[in-house]
Amino acid sequence: GIQVEQSPPDLILQEGANSTLRCNFSDSVNNLQWFHQNPWGQLINLFYIPSGTKQNGRLSATTVATERYSLLYISSSQTTDSGVYFCAYAGNNRKLIWGLGTSLGVNP
Amino acid sequence: EAGVTQFPSHSVIEKGQTVTLRCDPISGHDNLYWYRRVMGKEIKFLLHFVKESKQDESGMPNNRFLAERTGGTYSTLKVQPAELEDSGVYFCASSQGLAGGLETQYFGPGTRLLVL
Repeated sequence: GIQVEQSPPDLILQEGANSTLRCNFSDSVNNLQWFHQNPWGQLINLFYIPSGTKQNGRLSATTVATERYSLLYISSSQTTDSGVYFCAYAGNNRKLIWGLGTSLGVNP
Repeated sequence: EAGVTQFPSHSVIEKGQTVTLRCDPISGHDNLYWYRRVMGKEIKFLLHFVKESKQDESGMPNNRFLAERTGGTYSTLKVQPAELEDSGVYFCASSQGLAGGLETQYFGPGTRLLVL
């Protein structure tokens, strides 16, 4: 099946810094989502982004489907951004296949 | 509109006991999914319902896990008997069921299960 790789696996930022998280997939996908798992374990939908660019506040995401990657940008990071960021895709069978996540810590 | 809800939020049980997790999807969503994240590992798909029918249960780890969705509304996931390796966070998600799977799956807050 399609492999999903995320990088970096771990990231520590100082509050206010910007960062880019990357998700590579091994074949074409037509459904890609980004999630944030907060320190309480809850999964929060960030973006549904099969292609193109979307922005929501300090977060934005870009997927280049033809080159098989997606990027999540976090600007002016805050301590509440800490947690694990996952990308996941769904094939025609609808089940989401997940990357291992990027664990982000933002220090005050 | 209420989101996906899950109950309980936490459960601590002893090995060999039974636990039942519940998921209420977003109203009108025919598709319901169960996933779990075992500590430190990736989130993995367990199964997918379309209304009351199991569409795909290829991710269910073994026959100690039983999922139901009677009436096509809420779903339960029962683990009997629970083992230590079943500990983790169990997530439920729902979606409308748009053609080709080109849609967002909305997740509940998860149930943290700890088996001692």
